[in-house]
Amino acid sequence: QLQLQESGPGLVKPSETLSLTCTVSGGSISSSSYYWGWIRQPPGKGLEWIGSIYYSGSTYYNPSLKSRVTISVDTSKNQFSLKLSSVTAADTAVYYCARRGWFEEFDYWGQGTLVTVSS
Amino acid sequence: QSALTQPRSVSGSPGQSVTISCTGTSSDVGGYNYVSWYQQHPGKAPKLMIYDVSKRPSGVPDRFSGSKSGNTASLTISGLQAEDEADYYCCSYAGSYTLQVFGGGTKLTVL
Repeated sequence: QLQLQESGPGLVKPSETLSLTCTVSGGSISSSSYYWGWIRQPPGKGLEWIGSIYYSGSTYYNPSLKSRVTISVDTSKNQFSLKLSSVTAADTAVYYCARRGWFEEFDYWGQGTLVTVSS
Repeated sequence: QSALTQPRSVSGSPGQSVTISCTGTSSDVGGYNYVSWYQQHPGKAPKLMIYDVSKRPSGVPDRFSGSKSGNTASLTISGLQAEDEADYYCCSYAGSYTLQVFGGGTKLTVL
């Protein structure tokens, strides 16, 4: 059974860079069939797609976040990572990693990790 | 990139049917047959319920069904059960630049 697990600091200071890693187990991140994505959810609000990456390194980002987002992949560790720079309180959210399937659906999700931006 | 429009809340009694709408534009919902729906219980990760407009993943009850007409997609839940009470989100492919856009979410209350 495929599993995804987010990890990283739960507290980030304003103007600094948020860094999270998603570790994939039970399957290979190098599968040619899938993209891997990050989605976030501010407290009490809806879901927002951040970006997605293919095992080759091809990336797609939400235009509204593109200037601050970098997603990378490490196939040797079966992981992909998110960096969000110049964070503010508005970036406080639960961050999820997920697998994106053939039909643009997110079929497997991590449990999510809360990142709070505060000094 | 604007979020897809969903009603803030819907409700129904056990055994009844409810439909949640998801309205976009010709650049997302209306332009592609890549609409998915997610169920989210409090404190939990979203769970895929419908993909490719109307397909159900293995393990999702056939009480859940999806459809699309023009720029509006719909999720229908028939034979409502107490455990269906949750937030529901739609998501659509929006082209090779924007990629994915979510709806604002709908809170389903089972009365």
